[in-house]
Amino acid sequence: GNSVTQMEGPVTLSEEAFLTINCTYTATGYPSLFWYVQYPGEGLQLLLKATKADDKGSNKGFEATYRKETTSFHLEKGSVQVSDSAVYFCALSDRVDGTASKLTFGTGTRLQVTL
Amino acid sequence: GAVVSQHPSWVICKSGTSVKIECRSLDFQATTMFWYRQFPKQSLMLMATSNEGSKATYEQGVEKDKFLINHASLTLSTLTVTSAHPEDSSFYICSARSGGRVTYEQYFGPGTRLTVT
Repeated sequence: GNSVTQMEGPVTLSEEAFLTINCTYTATGYPSLFWYVQYPGEGLQLLLKATKADDKGSNKGFEATYRKETTSFHLEKGSVQVSDSAVYFCALSDRVDGTASKLTFGTGTRLQVTL
Repeated sequence: GAVVSQHPSWVICKSGTSVKIECRSLDFQATTMFWYRQFPKQSLMLMATSNEGSKATYEQGVEKDKFLINHASLTLSTLTVTSAHPEDSSFYICSARSGGRVTYEQYFGPGTRLTVT
């Protein structure tokens, strides 16, 4: 079955540091890949997505590239801010024709950014 | 846009009682809603998928008689935990998807923390 593995946290960084959160996946077929972010007290929000190999998703300074050869979708940001402190979830969706696609999530990585 | 609410945000109940959790899409019509369960420091586990007007599809290992899901309208789905026990204590999260939007995007509610004593 499908699975997502992401690095354990918490990740603690100083403001303006470079961020990488690793994510690898196992899936049959050609999944779509996502990063979701969960701020304290809020629901998960879609941060970025990529639907095919070599696609790069980007949003709010975050980027991730769909690497089929390494089955990875690592999240990066060049300069983090305190406001980026949250839990980040990597997820994949299997492409099921005409039906709601299920999301398979990683365990989440907590990011804490300090001044 | 694309806001999903859940009510209550937290609930404490006694063992043996039933608890209902509501999930509402506030500004769009949700043809499909999903219910997840999240354990501390663990991933979200999909419990069931519900389409408006039809029976929910439960994931393997999820007891349909214990976790009753009703998707009676395009803006409301409910999860009822029947005869709750302490092991049902968890964080329950719903998400909603509109048939009019891209097929893979789900919008998540803030979650409901259930504690069974």
